[in-house]
Amino acid sequence: DTEVTQTPKHLVMGMTNKKSLKCEQHMGHRAMYWYKQKAKKPPELMFVYSYEKLSINESVPSRFSPECPNSSLLNLHLHALQPEDSALYLCASSQGGQRGQFFGPGTRLTVL
Amino acid sequence: KNQVEQSPQSLIILEGKNCTLQCNYTVSPFSNLRWYKQDTGRGPVSLTIMTFSENTKSNGRYTATLDADTKQSSLHITASQLSDSASYICVVSDNSGGYQKVTFGIGTKLQVIP
Repeated sequence: DTEVTQTPKHLVMGMTNKKSLKCEQHMGHRAMYWYKQKAKKPPELMFVYSYEKLSINESVPSRFSPECPNSSLLNLHLHALQPEDSALYLCASSQGGQRGQFFGPGTRLTVL
Repeated sequence: KNQVEQSPQSLIILEGKNCTLQCNYTVSPFSNLRWYKQDTGRGPVSLTIMTFSENTKSNGRYTATLDADTKQSSLHITASQLSDSASYICVVSDNSGGYQKVTFGIGTKLQVIP
């Protein structure tokens, strides 16, 4: 299994809602990542988990809350988002060495 | 500062023709370079990955080259198809402990027309 899966594919939420994005991989990778991508821009790193511990938080607002329940799962909890948070949210995973990152298909988020 | 530059920014070619996309990078320490294809609104899909010692890597109609001395890479697409229309992103990784730090190029937007 060389796949990273993300759910849901699409999400529309109001500014007062609470929702979660989910990411899963079964490649035994020990690093997992959340990225935010706006249209026509490269992905921007949000969080990195390495061995289930938060290693990088790129000054992301607290309305985004990551969680890594185990080595295969990565969640992103959303609360009180703003319309400018509308974007494609990408999850990725990697193993040590020289294999690079594997990306999931993304969740298209729209905040009304 | 690590940087990845891609050219051209956009390209239009006729179906069946070949094309070559360029990537120059200044990333240190270098671990690997990947070319991804990204359709609008979808996650990037890996086409090729190359490490320091590899010069050429093929995946079907896609052939990537790497010159680690000049820090340049290219992606050659042969006999283009309409489904090749997408953004092609060059991503360079460095190894930082238990995770990889990557630097993305801005991508080349390819449009294949009939």
